[in-house]
Amino acid sequence: EAAVTQSPRNKVAVTGGKVTLSCNQTNNHNNMYWYRQDTGHGLRLIHYSYGAGSTEKGDIPDGYKASRPSQENFSLILELATPSQTSVYFCASGDRALNTGQLYFGEGSKLTVL
Amino acid sequence: QQKVQQSPESLSVPEGGMASLNCTSSDRNFQYFWWYRQHSGEGPKALMSIFSDGDKKEGRFTAHLNKASLHVSLHIRDSQPSDSALYFCAASPPGNKLTFGIGTRVLVRP
Repeated sequence: EAAVTQSPRNKVAVTGGKVTLSCNQTNNHNNMYWYRQDTGHGLRLIHYSYGAGSTEKGDIPDGYKASRPSQENFSLILELATPSQTSVYFCASGDRALNTGQLYFGEGSKLTVL
Repeated sequence: QQKVQQSPESLSVPEGGMASLNCTSSDRNFQYFWWYRQHSGEGPKALMSIFSDGDKKEGRFTAHLNKASLHVSLHIRDSQPSDSALYFCAASPPGNKLTFGIGTRVLVRP
């Protein structure tokens, strides 16, 4: 079974503070993704990566940065957190060779910005 | 405008009944269609894929794709309480960059 683990699972941050959400995958997948889930919006893509050292903007990248230091790790960084970034964030990995859209998701990180 | 639109928003079916979910895409670049399922407190998991016109059956789940109208549906027969979940339709062009709908919440009543 593919494994994607996220940390922290729950985080409370203050407005203007810096938040880093981390993701580790043991699937040896090239592609990794960060989505946020909000009621009424479904899952929306923030950033993604095709491999170590690469990051690409998704559909809603404003206010977020991403870092892919290795094949296994992909981080989402909120430099100046705002209450509108309160959400549940999901990391996922996918096999670029398959190219068909099957993603393996982590269990989610719930972020509350006060 | 949502590129992947799902209906209904929520659905209640009796145990043993049939649940039918619908999804329409507005992007003709999408070639791969998926249904993902998310139980409360968990991450989404891929349920089944469909890439060609017609029906695809996996156990109690049947997906149907009409590429001309960019419409895909999911039918769950003999619904079980464990099928209660949030179901996402998702689509992508080649390259794994999935676009998700807002989801259909299914409740199976005992």
